[in-house]
This record gives sequence, C-alpha cells and structure tokens, in this order.
Amino acid sequence: SQQGEEDPQALSIQEGENATMNCSYKTSINNLQWYRQNSGRGLVHLILIRSNEREKHSGRLRVTLDTSKKSSSLLITASRAADTASYFCATVPLIQGAQKLVFGQGTRLTINP
Amino acid sequence: NAGVTQTPKFQVLKTGQSMTLQCAQDMNHEYMSWYRQDPGMGLRLIHYSVGAGITDQGEVPNGYNVSRSTTEDFPLRLLSAAPSQTSVYFCASSLGGGYTFGSGTRLTVV
Repeated sequence: SQQGEEDPQALSIQEGENATMNCSYKTSINNLQWYRQNSGRGLVHLILIRSNEREKHSGRLRVTLDTSKKSSSLLITASRAADTASYFCATVPLIQGAQKLVFGQGTRLTINP
Repeated sequence: NAGVTQTPKFQVLKTGQSMTLQCAQDMNHEYMSWYRQDPGMGLRLIHYSVGAGITDQGEVPNGYNVSRSTTEDFPLRLLSAAPSQTSVYFCASSLGGGYTFGSGTRLTVV
C-alpha cells in the first residue's frame, strides 16, 4: 500500500490565490519530498524537507513538516495558471540503506484565470 | 547532461510477449528506481537499485525483472506481458536527495 495520503484530491482556485495541499504518511521517515507533474509529463522535484526540519521555502513554495503528526503541507502563494498540475508528496523511509521513494496519490490543482 | 533517458516512449505489446524498457542516466547517480502510474493514481514502486549490482523489490514487483550492471543503466524487463501491465512507466535517479525523472514510457498490452 502507498505510504502517503493527500488531501484534497482535487483543488480549484482563482489565479492569485494561495493553494494549500496536505500529505499524511504512516511510518517514520528520513525525508519528505514534493513533486509536480504536468499532464502527460514526467515528475519534477520541487522541494525536499528532512525529518529534523520543520519548514522550508523555495520561491513561492512553502513546505512544513510535523513528524509528531506524520504530516506535511505544501503552500503555493500567489498562484499562476502555470501552476496547474498534479502535486505529489513522497517519503523516504527511515530504514538504514533504504532509498526507495514512496508516493501518495496526489492532488490535482487547477488555477482558473 | 541528458538527465534520465527512457526508451521507447510508446509501445504496444501482445499478451505473452516480453520486452525491455530502457533507462539511462548520465549524472552518475547511485540510486535508480522504476515506477508505474495508472490513471488517476500516484506512482507505485516496482524495483529500485542503490548501486551497480544491487537491486531490490518495491511494492509491485511481480511480472518484472531488473538488473544493474552499470551505474548508468537500469533496464526493466517484462517477462510475459499481461493487460494488467498497461500503464505509464517512469524511471528515476538520485544521488540521495530529490529524484530526477524520465519522461516515461506509455505501454499498452492487448
């Protein structure tokens, strides 16, 4: 079974608004990553947050991690039409030597002009 | 750098046929993985490798084989294709941080 569950499954907002997506996971992790996938394309890595970090920023992206609740959130500020895509969280489990990235089912984000 | 290159981009197989999906990376990444993505779903891990000569199973390994004889290449073999293997397959590689993904192979088994 997949490690992560994302909420909501789909999100539609107006351009310029902020978009927040949530991810919950089941087991202890080494790190958590967020990816974007445009329709029909491969995945693009957005940001990685380690288990000892609580918040990370990259441009208009802000990621938080709460290991006590086993959850993370991705905030996209001042959304643009080009942000329309599916967003996935993925975790690397805290197992020595393991490097397998386990994905959630994703949030489909639509930015309306 | 070409990144992660997957070939072919599209493939149609008949049930029972075998084939190899190719994946190559030129970034000297240790870690490589194969995923499948079915409509409306996230990616499920098929097999992964932490270095040349070392592979391990992911969530859905049945019906697939892998080998890693070089750092650069990580081919995925379908032994006897079944309609349930119709999917989009992604290869990815990493040095230990974020993964770089290929553009995918869309496979249809009829």
